[in-house]
Amino acid sequence: GAGVSQSPSNKVTEKGKDVELRCDPISGHTALYWYRQSLGQGLEFLIYFQGNSAPDKSGLPSDRFSAERTGGSVSTLTIQRTQQEDSAVYLCASSTGQGAPYEQYFGPGTRLTVT
Amino acid sequence: KNQVEQSPQSLIILEGKNCTLQCNYTVSPFSNLRWYKQDTGRGPVSLTIMTFSENTKSNGRYTATLDADTKQSSLHITASQLSDSASYICVVSSNTGGFKTIFGAGTRLFVKA
Repeated sequence: GAGVSQSPSNKVTEKGKDVELRCDPISGHTALYWYRQSLGQGLEFLIYFQGNSAPDKSGLPSDRFSAERTGGSVSTLTIQRTQQEDSAVYLCASSTGQGAPYEQYFGPGTRLTVT
Repeated sequence: KNQVEQSPQSLIILEGKNCTLQCNYTVSPFSNLRWYKQDTGRGPVSLTIMTFSENTKSNGRYTATLDADTKQSSLHITASQLSDSASYICVVSSNTGGFKTIFGAGTRLFVKA
């Protein structure tokens, strides 16, 4: 079956521009997560959606970052006025619920490069 | 501070050999610990998940152990294959309210012929 998909796979943008990253979770998964992975670093939690509940935005590094999840399915992560330190791989994951034993299934990621 | 520390940072072994990767954590209260394998350019894929009451879990040639008292886990890979070359990430979740999952930086494993 189809897994988590993300688009684009690679994005190069100029400093100061806005970018949108898309995540299509596995159908029927109620939980959706965004992470950031910088070179040589562990995954950094950004934001978490669970069903119709208010998202947990505690991991967003600044107000330039925002995310939406429309219709409980597709999610978009938006980064405004990009900075070079935003360069990273942005990973999306989905699961049937939150916490154990719900498995998170990851997408292939979007590699963002800010020049 | 909740942390997950992995060692070594990188490891090179010959095909067919065994290896053990380490994970120490300070996340509290503990809910579960997962090991993921991440191939280059791919998202992480789950290998094992262990809760507080479990001290070992196997998945093929991968065996994870957990000592909740010392807050240590290990991932043992038996009879390594070239395809085992990847990053192995230890992930610890807490069962407090809200989302709290801490990822280790990973161990980069290179299996050479």
